[in-house]
Amino acid sequence: DAGITQSPRHKVTETGTPVTLRCHQTENHRYMYWYRQDPGHGLRLIHYSYGVKDTDKGEVSDGYSVSRSKTEDFLLTLESATSSQTSVYFCAISAGLSYEQYFGPGTRLTVT
Amino acid sequence: SQQGEEDPQALSIQEGENATMNCSYKTSINNLQWYRQNSGRGLVHLILIRSNEREKHSGRLRVTLDTSKKSSSLLITASRAADTASYFCATEGLRAAGNKLTFGGGTRVLVKP
Repeated sequence: DAGITQSPRHKVTETGTPVTLRCHQTENHRYMYWYRQDPGHGLRLIHYSYGVKDTDKGEVSDGYSVSRSKTEDFLLTLESATSSQTSVYFCAISAGLSYEQYFGPGTRLTVT
Repeated sequence: SQQGEEDPQALSIQEGENATMNCSYKTSINNLQWYRQNSGRGLVHLILIRSNEREKHSGRLRVTLDTSKKSSSLLITASRAADTASYFCATEGLRAAGNKLTFGGGTRVLVKP
């Protein structure tokens, strides 16, 4: 257990509304990641962070922004949610001798 | 696009049998990792194999890596019902910044009691 929590765990929202997902870690790991998981696509990286206020885009970053003002929190924001952003979102941190990744429990987001 | 592609997409076996799944990737890597995901849960790291290693064991897991063929296999021996899950390979590219991983689409494994 790498002490990773995600909130909310489930959310239903309407198209066009802003949504913010939170990832919280308790062990001061430097690297944090946001993925989305969709059937047939595995996990795809949205954004990642390599330190406070240091973030970069992943494979599917369009429509998403992130912020990391504290080591322990990494926020994912959908500025104007669309139905194509209905997905399960996972946060992860990178730790261990070989920087393997440890995942949070996920947030199921439905955009109607 | 996905770096890793798993094969088969789904696998059904009897308890006690071995399960083998394969992963192919496209570009040079630092390491390849395997993860398990139980239904409705986050991914759990199983094993990591570096590009200069050919085989690695962890309990009932055996991973091989063939960098010339850009492929890896995961063998689960003497499977149990609790091994029912999806299994994903993930690669860290040779020039990947931030320890980024690229995941394959996964293999769904069903172990029947």
